[in-house]
Amino acid sequence: DAKTTQPPSMDCAEGRAANLPCNHSTISGNEYVYWYRQIHSQGPQYIIHGLKNNETNEMASLIITEDRKSSTLILPHATLRDTAVYYCIVRVTGNTPLVFGKGTRLSVIA
Amino acid sequence: GAGVSQTPSNKVTEKGKYVELRCDPISGHTALYWYRQSLGQGPEFLIYFQGTGAADDSGLPNDRFFAVRPEGSVSTLKIQRTERGDSAVYLCASSLTSRLVDEQFFGPGTRLTVL
Repeated sequence: DAKTTQPPSMDCAEGRAANLPCNHSTISGNEYVYWYRQIHSQGPQYIIHGLKNNETNEMASLIITEDRKSSTLILPHATLRDTAVYYCIVRVTGNTPLVFGKGTRLSVIA
Repeated sequence: GAGVSQTPSNKVTEKGKYVELRCDPISGHTALYWYRQSLGQGPEFLIYFQGTGAADDSGLPNDRFFAVRPEGSVSTLKIQRTERGDSAVYLCASSLTSRLVDEQFFGPGTRLTVL
């Protein structure tokens, strides 16, 4: 079973920041927080991951609380192409399977 | 470069038939995963290969499901005596063998419909 809890859906206006929350209160010390997204009719796509420090790449930023029990994925300027289901996953690094929950369906609205 | 490819993109079969689904991973990726995604759900892990061997097949639902990767590259997922409940999108992903670089790259999936 997935070890994360996410809201089922969110809306965001185009050009605004999209903040997607994730709860992972049972995360272990060696587990990382990963985010993937799945655009309609495509396979999931990796976005970002982190252990305890905040992370940023060209796609998004990841903010992890100090107690590591929750995190927020931030898309700084959402576009219509960011409409997708976003999955928050906790796992150890290395070649282990991804355990997906139901994710958050983000709708970016013009 | 080329990403993960899966064939066929769509497969319609009748209950009781045998089907094979193919995955071509990214060149050089030694890890290969199969997932299954039902409508409205997140992908569900089936089996993981490291090279030619199945490192973890704990997600295979029953013995009707089998997967091979004989040369450590292309993989085939085989389903015997298909049932209507096997209808789903079957996703394949590949990654490098590394603890630090473990991003999984997914293919577009094969949509299987069992009538």
